[in-house]
Amino acid sequence: AAGVIQSPRHLIKEKRETATLKCYPIPRHDTVYWYQQGPGQDPQFLISFYEKMQSDKGSIPDRFSAQQFSDYHSELNMSSLELGDSALYFCASSRILAGVYEQYFGPGTRLTVT
Amino acid sequence: AQSVTQLDSQVPVFEEAPVELRCNYSSSVSVYLFWYVQYPNQGLQLLLKYLSGSTLVESINGFEAEFNKSQTSFHLRKPSVHISDTAEYFCAVSNQGGSEKLVFGKGTKLTVNP
Repeated sequence: AAGVIQSPRHLIKEKRETATLKCYPIPRHDTVYWYQQGPGQDPQFLISFYEKMQSDKGSIPDRFSAQQFSDYHSELNMSSLELGDSALYFCASSRILAGVYEQYFGPGTRLTVT
Repeated sequence: AQSVTQLDSQVPVFEEAPVELRCNYSSSVSVYLFWYVQYPNQGLQLLLKYLSGSTLVESINGFEAEFNKSQTSFHLRKPSVHISDTAEYFCAVSNQGGSEKLVFGKGTKLTVNP
């Protein structure tokens, strides 16, 4: 079965640089979520999109922005990177309209800021 | 606001022993409940879920969890663990009603020793 795809899997950036993370949800899933998991931490919700509209916002820094495109893929844009942004970034998808409330996670993008 | 408490940060057990990972939640509205498992350097995999109906839910690999509304708990159990069950286990909740974010507990590191 198709799963959530994230790219790149690993990314190394320097402080003050920008990064773009991409997420391709499971086909026919209408909702995308982004989470950040710091070292040894639980995942923290950043932002979500339902049918290409932002549906909820969590503890996402103003330096970060995200959007969902017409083909339902989503991108998380991160600017002025800081050392503390080093983390595993997960994308998840669900199919709310079909009553699929559980979220299926991608493998994550490991971002290292040096 | 919701919160999830996983009472044990680490649980060491011997192979073939029973195990229980505890999870309590707090919410002012009805919730969906989930257990996710994370193997080292991997993403989050859905282990089992409670959406409605029977309060006892089971996974295909022998885990089960029981929703107890009065005690606001969703403990995870397995009667006989294998070394391959060694992983981090996260309990999570989301509000009923659609595209709601997951709120995770801090995780329980299960280590199965031979």
